[in-house]
Order: sequence, then C-alpha cells, then structure tokens
Amino acid sequence: ELKVEQNPLFLSMQEGKNYTIYCNYSTTSDRLYWYRQDPGKSLESLFVLLSNGAVKQEGRLMASLDTKARLSTLHITAAVHDLSATYFCAVHDSQEYGNKLVFGAGTILRVKS
Amino acid sequence: NAGVTQTPKFRVLKTGQSMTLLCAQDMNHEYMYWYRQDPGMGLRLIHYSVGEGTTAKGEVPDGYNVSRLKKQNFLLGLESAAPSQTSVYFCASSTVISFYEQYFGPGTRLTVT
Repeated sequence: ELKVEQNPLFLSMQEGKNYTIYCNYSTTSDRLYWYRQDPGKSLESLFVLLSNGAVKQEGRLMASLDTKARLSTLHITAAVHDLSATYFCAVHDSQEYGNKLVFGAGTILRVKS
Repeated sequence: NAGVTQTPKFRVLKTGQSMTLLCAQDMNHEYMYWYRQDPGMGLRLIHYSVGEGTTAKGEVPDGYNVSRLKKQNFLLGLESAAPSQTSVYFCASSTVISFYEQYFGPGTRLTVT
C-alpha cells in the first residue's frame, strides 16, 4: 500500500528566507504532483514531475523528483507573504488501476513579514 | 471552459437524510474522482471512475454511492447521512493528454447535524 509522508506539517518562515518541504513515499511510482491550496479554496496544480531527476521551477518555487530515493522536494527561495498556503504532494499509485493519486497530509506554510 | 464545477457549494443535512452532489466537467476527461478533505488528513479518495458507466471504490467508500451515466458528470450520493460525513468534498478529473494531472472543482462543504 502506498503511503505518502510530508514534512514538516507546519512551517513558519520569515520573508526572504529559503526552505524546503519534503515528500517521501513508500513504493515505486513514476509520477508526482504538487498542489497549492489557499484557505477555503480548491487545489491548484503547481508542478507535474514525470521522471527521475525531473526539476520544475515557477517563480520562487522549485520542485524535484528522485524516484530512486522515493523523494520529492519543494524548495522555496526568498519567501514572500503571497506564498502562504497549504502545499500538498500527490503520488501516482502505480500498483493500482485508475491513475489514482495518494496525497500527503499537507504542509501549512506561513510567511511572516 | 468552466473546468470542473460542483453543485451545491454548501449544504447542511440532518442525520439520516440523503443527498446527491453533482460534479460536471467540460474538458472531455476520461477519469473522475471524488475526495473528502478533513483537517490534518489531506485528501482521501472516496470513489472514482475511469469512464462513462464505470465506477470503483477508493480508500473510504463506506456510506457513499456514485454514478457516471454521462462522461461529463459524476454524482456522489449519501443515502443516510451521518455526522462523520461532515467534510469538504472535492471532485477532480484527469486525462492522459495532461499526464493525468488532476483538475479540481471548487468543493462542497457539507455539515451533518
């Protein structure tokens, strides 16, 4: 059974600082997704990572995937208040039919000015 | 394109009442999913569908039923609501063309008293 673990679950950062969110998963997978959720809102897709060594960047966020280590990271550079949100990783369950995703519990990010 | 829409946005039920949540997508996606989101638990898959006329159970299917009579619609039913079904429900859809990235609806906040 695929398990997805994110850490930290809560992150309070100062503006301008860098930090990394980690997403570990327990069984082999070929695809990983990162989503952002603002309070009371739906999930918005940030990145789709499709292969080992994949790296995607958008603004101050950079995501990477290491399928051998079963690890993805979401790196935040020079955080700004607008990045405050909950971030989820979701891993494709390769063992199951239906292109299902298993979500991590989410990382609540608060950027303080 | 409206993307993924959900009806209703909010609902309050009494224990034992029934209701149906409607999800509609106009992107011609093959796959559709129903999730529930509870604090600190990420998203958990209730039921999913890989095409018109087909449905399957997810991680937490008990107390819910689904139907997909048309490709664009995915209905989630609660036959006899219980307080444990108080949650935010999200529908999502995906397709092979976008690497099975899931697109989410705005959510339905359901309270069962």
